Amino acid sequence: DGGITQSPKYLFRKEGQNVTLSCEQNLNHDAMYWYRQDPGQGLRLIYYSQIVNDFQKGDIAEGYSVSREKKESFPLTVTSAQKNPTAFYLCASSILGGYQPQHFGDGTRLSIL
Amino acid sequence: DQQVKQNSPSLSVQEGRISILNCDYTNSMFDYFLWYKKYPAEGPTFLISISSIKDKNEDGRFTVFLNKSAKHLSLHIVPSQPGDSAVYFCALGAGGTSYGKLTFGQGTILTVHP
Repeated sequence: DGGITQSPKYLFRKEGQNVTLSCEQNLNHDAMYWYRQDPGQGLRLIYYSQIVNDFQKGDIAEGYSVSREKKESFPLTVTSAQKNPTAFYLCASSILGGYQPQHFGDGTRLSIL
Repeated sequence: DQQVKQNSPSLSVQEGRISILNCDYTNSMFDYFLWYKKYPAEGPTFLISISSIKDKNEDGRFTVFLNKSAKHLSLHIVPSQPGDSAVYFCALGAGGTSYGKLTFGQGTILTVHP
């Protein structure tokens, strides 16, 4: 079955540590996205990538970094510079061309110990 | 500056009745509009979309209406079922340099009572 896999589902981090969230898709989609969701809020775009080895900052990129070395993979690193990292993180992918809906993984919940 | 607003945090409806979820926006550059449904601890699932050249799109029990002059989008669910209980997000996109990016509303929690 095609889909988007995010791992782990729950992640705990000590203050001052960097952590990397995994996102893999086998939908053969060109574009991939990372969002953050906080309680009572919508999804806010962190980074997105439309092609391998290229990515753009979204609305809240500070304290985060990404890489896109393979079409299938778009890992997100939450760095120690992110002051409020506790949130639900969602990865999505879509076809490029026309207005295509984004398909989402089931998310990773990151908590600070 | 919130470009997309869902002003009702929650909505409660009886099974079999109509559910109407609303979404308002300020940026006239948005030209395609989507609705997503989300259960707790899961990712959003795409429901239905509409482009700016249309004012209505229907898919089974779900109908999306677009009023461009009022910058207003709505989702109608008829008849509502208990399994429809979830958080509903509107998401808006624009072409040009913003192509591919979506701006989400805050979400509306729909509860359908048996």
